[in-house]
Amino acid sequence: DSGVTQTPKHLITATGQRVTLRCSPRSGDLSVYWYQQSLDQGLQFLIHYYNGEERAKGNILERFSAQQFPDLHSELNLSSLELGDSALYFCASSVDAQGRLFFGSGTQLSVL
Amino acid sequence: GNSVTQMEGPVTLSEEAFLTINCTYTATGYPSLFWYVQYPGEGLQLLLKATKADDKGSNKGFEATYRKETTSFHLEKGSVQVSDSAVYFCALSGGSSNTGKLIFGQGTTLQVKP
Repeated sequence: DSGVTQTPKHLITATGQRVTLRCSPRSGDLSVYWYQQSLDQGLQFLIHYYNGEERAKGNILERFSAQQFPDLHSELNLSSLELGDSALYFCASSVDAQGRLFFGSGTQLSVL
Repeated sequence: GNSVTQMEGPVTLSEEAFLTINCTYTATGYPSLFWYVQYPGEGLQLLLKATKADDKGSNKGFEATYRKETTSFHLEKGSVQVSDSAVYFCALSGGSSNTGKLIFGQGTTLQVKP
């Protein structure tokens, strides 16, 4: 158990809809990272938050947004969903910027 | 920008065989290098890391040496077990842009048969 909790584990929705993925980091970790894993793109970095502030952006679509709340949990919002957004979305947390990330078990999103 | 390239899989081995998974990287500055492992249905876990040139990371019988001259970080294990079957990801962090985020390779699936 990594200590990172992601909910829900599975999400099935339709094109055009909006969903929210939630992540609770390990106790004491200030950084939260979001990644998208798909068969064709592999593991793609989406966004990084540190103590409530956005620190880095990767290949995140404009239809996607994220935030980190004062209690350090984070939410990834995906809107106007398309079939190609179907993927496994991982959240990871870390206590420092040394690259040791602790990953949750992911949210499997299926857009039908 | 920074990038990581891994050998394509799947790699299929018999139990007790020798394993090598190749990984090369492109980065500015002085990145740290990692191997993460993903077991079926789970998130990624750190397997080993190396933070500077010539460092050797090791864990659970796996080893990788940070080779700056060849920009490589190949993963090796002398004798694989069925329980090593998983997807292995090479990754880098840092370099000229150090926010702690990881850049991953595409992953290599390892299947070990009894």
